[in-house]
Parts: sequence; C-alpha cells; structure tokens
Amino acid sequence: DAKTTQPTSMDCAEGRAANLPCNHSTISGNEYVYWYRQIHSQGPQYIIHGLKNNETNEMASLIITEDRKSSTLILPHATLRDTAVYYCIVRAAGTALIFGKGTTLSVSS
Amino acid sequence: GAVVSQHPSWVICKSGTSVKIECRSLDFQATTMFWYRQFPKQSLMLMATSNEGSKATYEQGVEKDKFLINHASLTLSTLTVTSAHPEDSSFYICSANRILGNTEAFFGQGTRLTVV
Repeated sequence: DAKTTQPTSMDCAEGRAANLPCNHSTISGNEYVYWYRQIHSQGPQYIIHGLKNNETNEMASLIITEDRKSSTLILPHATLRDTAVYYCIVRAAGTALIFGKGTTLSVSS
Repeated sequence: GAVVSQHPSWVICKSGTSVKIECRSLDFQATTMFWYRQFPKQSLMLMATSNEGSKATYEQGVEKDKFLINHASLTLSTLTVTSAHPEDSSFYICSANRILGNTEAFFGQGTRLTVV
C-alpha cells in the first residue's frame, strides 16, 4: 500500500502557484520523498525528490517539514500543460516506487 | 535527464498470442528495472522487479508464467505477455534505476496493449 496521503483533486488558475500537499507520517529515516506526475497516456515524469532539506529545480520546489511527516510540492507559475496527476511517493534508494492515487491537478485559464 | 525507451508504444494482438515489450535504458546502465501495469482511471500497479542476470521478483497476484520477464543486459529488460486475453489489455510501463549517481527512477513512455 502507498505510504502517503494526498488530496484527490485540486484546481489552480494559470500563472498562479500550485501548492500540492502530501502526508507521509510513517516515513522511515532512509526514505526519500519523491514527486512524479503523469499526463494522460504517458509514462510518469520525474519532478523532484528530497530527504530532509528543501529542494528546488527548474520544475518545482519541494518543502519538507522538519519532522519529515509531510511535504509540499510547489509549482511556482502553473501553466495549462501542468494539468496532470501528481504522485507523492516515499521510498528508500533503489527500491520500487509504489504509487498511490495521487492528486489530479487541473490548471485553468 | 536519463532516457528510458519502450517499444512498441502500442500493439494490438489476437487473443491467445504472445506479445513482447522491450524496455531500454538509452544512456545509463540499470541493474534493476521495474514493470508496472495501469488500467483506465487507476494508478500504476507494480508487477515485478527485474534484476540483471537473475530471475525477476513478482508481486503477489501476478502470474510469473504469464508475464515472462528477461533482463539479459544492463540496458534491456523485456516483458512477454503469453497467451494474451482481453483482460490483459492495459498500459504497461517500465522504469529503471541508474547504477550510479542520483537515486531517481526513470520511466518509459509506456506500451498500450489491446487484445482482441
């Protein structure tokens, strides 16, 4: 079973920041927090991952709480192309990614 | 980012025939590849873990004799759906972990299998 809890769906206006929350209260010390997204009928796309520090790349920022029990993925300026299902996954390095139901993000103009 | 390629992207086959799907890591070596299946409006379900040079490890409920996995090199894993039936119609996706470097997994673009 997935070890994360995410809202089923979220809406965001184009150009605004999209903040996607994730709870992972049972995360272990050696597990990373990963975010992937899947656009319809495509393979999942890697977004970002982190262990305990906040991370930022060209796609998004990842904010992890100090106790590591939750995190937030931030898309700073959402576009219509960011409409997708976003998956928050915790896993130890090298192990399989176990997908939950994810959050369906709908970006509208 | 690293590239994982699946072939074919889609395939239609007759019931009772077998279909082979290839998963290649194009610019890195992968000792471990994973195979997933996704039915419409559902999430990805892990089917098996493919280890180079050894037998694959199957998840509970996945028939190893029906879904044959071969991982003969560090850049190629294959999934063969044997004696396919309409209920095997699904979206099959592979992922690969790099041996060295960062810890993210990279996914192929998926293969849409339709059994008629």
